[in-house]
Amino acid sequence: ELKVEQNPLFLSMQEGKNYTIYCNYSTTSDRLYWYRQDPGKSLESLFVLLSNGAVKQEGRLMASLDTKARLSTLHITAAVHDLSATYFCAVDSRAGQAGTALIFGKGTTLSVSS
Amino acid sequence: NAGVTQTPKFQVLKTGQSMTLQCAQDMNHEYMSWYRQDPGMGLRLIHYSVGAGITDQGEVPNGYNVSRSTTEDFPLRLLSAAPSQTSVYFCASKRSFSGNTIYFGEGSWLTVV
Repeated sequence: ELKVEQNPLFLSMQEGKNYTIYCNYSTTSDRLYWYRQDPGKSLESLFVLLSNGAVKQEGRLMASLDTKARLSTLHITAAVHDLSATYFCAVDSRAGQAGTALIFGKGTTLSVSS
Repeated sequence: NAGVTQTPKFQVLKTGQSMTLQCAQDMNHEYMSWYRQDPGMGLRLIHYSVGAGITDQGEVPNGYNVSRSTTEDFPLRLLSAAPSQTSVYFCASKRSFSGNTIYFGEGSWLTVV
């Protein structure tokens, strides 16, 4: 059974600081997804990581994937208030049917203050 | 292009009532899925479908029924609503074999009293 664990679950940051969110998963998977969710809203896709060693960056966020360690990280650089949200990682549970059956972590709620 | 459309957006049900959450997509996507989101639990997979006529169970299928008679629609039926089914429900779709983007609907907020 595929399990996905995120940590920390809550993160309070000061503006300008750096931090990393970790996502561990228990079995081999084709790809890993990162999403952002604002309160009362749907999920916004941030990154899709397809292979070992994949690294993607968008603004102050950078995601990486180590399939051998079954670990993905979401690194936040010089946090700003607008990054306050809940971040989820998710992993495909169906090999060969990518995107149809995701298993999600519990989410990391990020609060950035000045 | 409306993307993934969920209806209703908000619903209050009494225990024991049945209802159907509708999900429709206009992108000709083969893959469709239903998730529920509860505080502190993240999203959990209820049922999914890889094409018309094909459905399968996810992590938390009990109390829910699905069918997929067309590519466009994937309704989720609550057979006899229970307070434990109070949640936010998200439908998602994706094209098979190409592209990486999964499209999520806006969500349906369901309260069972």
